[in-house]
Amino acid sequence: DGGITQSPKYLFRKEGQNVTLSCEQNLNHDAMYWYRQDPGQGLRLIYYSHIVNDFQKGDIAEGYSVSREKKESFPLTVTSAQKNPTAFYLCASSSVREGYTFGSGTRLTVV
Amino acid sequence: RKEVEQDPGPFNVPEGATVAFNCTYSNSASQSFFWYRQDCRKEPKLLMSVYSSGNEDGRFTAQLNRASQYISLLIRDSKLSDSATYLCVVNFYSGGYQKVTFGTGTKLQVIP
Repeated sequence: DGGITQSPKYLFRKEGQNVTLSCEQNLNHDAMYWYRQDPGQGLRLIYYSHIVNDFQKGDIAEGYSVSREKKESFPLTVTSAQKNPTAFYLCASSSVREGYTFGSGTRLTVV
Repeated sequence: RKEVEQDPGPFNVPEGATVAFNCTYSNSASQSFFWYRQDCRKEPKLLMSVYSSGNEDGRFTAQLNRASQYISLLIRDSKLSDSATYLCVVNFYSGGYQKVTFGTGTKLQVIP
């Protein structure tokens, strides 16, 4: 079955540590996105990529980095420069015909 | 003005009631519209697309008003299981790419 997979489901990060969140899709979608959601809040766009080897900053890119070396994969690194990283992170992919498909999310907590 | 605006709610309605949400958008070049449902601590899932002529899926009806730049979602005969946050999504295409904007969501609580 086609879909989008995020891992891990839960992640704990120590202060000053970089962590990488995985996002893989087998839907053959060109576009992929990372969103952050805080409790009771809407989705905020971190980074997006429309094609391999190209990505653009979203509204809240500071403290995050991404890569898009393969069409299927769009990992997000939360760096130590992100001062308030505790949140629910959602990866999505899209096509013009099928719209958006989300992964099940990663809950990141700073300990 | 925000690109996409929704009343955050919560809308508390009794079972069996009819409830409607609106979502306004600022970009008149927006081309496609969707409603997503998000349950607590879960990812958003596509509820329905919104077509220019309006469309219905069971108890759910979606409508688009381009002149006034809003979309609406009507839920008839509300069920307890309809309790969730409903996000509107607005797309427009520029340079061959789609720009997607999410509303912050409207929370619905259906009470027994």
